[in-house]
Amino acid sequence: DAGVIQSPRHEVTEMGQEVTLRCKPISGHDYLFWYRQTMMRGLELLIYFNNNVPIDDSGMPEDRFSAKMPNASFSTLKIQPSEPRDSAVYFCASTLGRNTEAFFGQGTRLTVV
Amino acid sequence: SQQGEEDPQALSIQEGENATMNCSYKTSINNLQWYRQNSGRGLVHLILIRSNEREKHSGRLRVTLDTSKKSSSLLITASRAADTASYFCATQDGSSNTGKLIFGQGTTLQVKP
Repeated sequence: DAGVIQSPRHEVTEMGQEVTLRCKPISGHDYLFWYRQTMMRGLELLIYFNNNVPIDDSGMPEDRFSAKMPNASFSTLKIQPSEPRDSAVYFCASTLGRNTEAFFGQGTRLTVV
Repeated sequence: SQQGEEDPQALSIQEGENATMNCSYKTSINNLQWYRQNSGRGLVHLILIRSNEREKHSGRLRVTLDTSKKSSSLLITASRAADTASYFCATQDGSSNTGKLIFGQGTTLQVKP
């Protein structure tokens, strides 16, 4: 398996634009996590899914953020409208079952100017 | 929100020395995990220790867990320059047991050749 795949790797966008980040988990994994990493706030859990159903979205910072998982092999994190303070590295991770090791993608570095 | 707090925030040692990083957490856990992150990359799982375990080894890594003190330590023995990275602890909740995975702020380790 190629591991968790995120796209794009880098995204530069203007303030106010819509941004969509994509994640393909490892085949067969039933948990998917979205994290945001910044120097100031560290690695924050935004939302996670189990069997495509959102379990906890309490980490989503504002209504501008939304995440979906239409099927077991694809998830998106959307920011609309984007703001400069959304600049960060966004990671997706997946696990096989609960309470097991997580496999991370390479991340998407988002810059909002 | 972060569950774990790690110390030190930064550690600089000479090659061949041992490195010890500590992690404290606040709530009941199912397990505690340690991850490594090289600059600009995703996180890589190192070791998982369950709440009923006290010590675990993997190669040059030794992890201890003290649930009474809500703390864990990661020891890297005979460090190498290639061990230079950031190290994070992460916990999975034990009371709700939903699989939620929360990370600490991390320790940046520099191993000088």
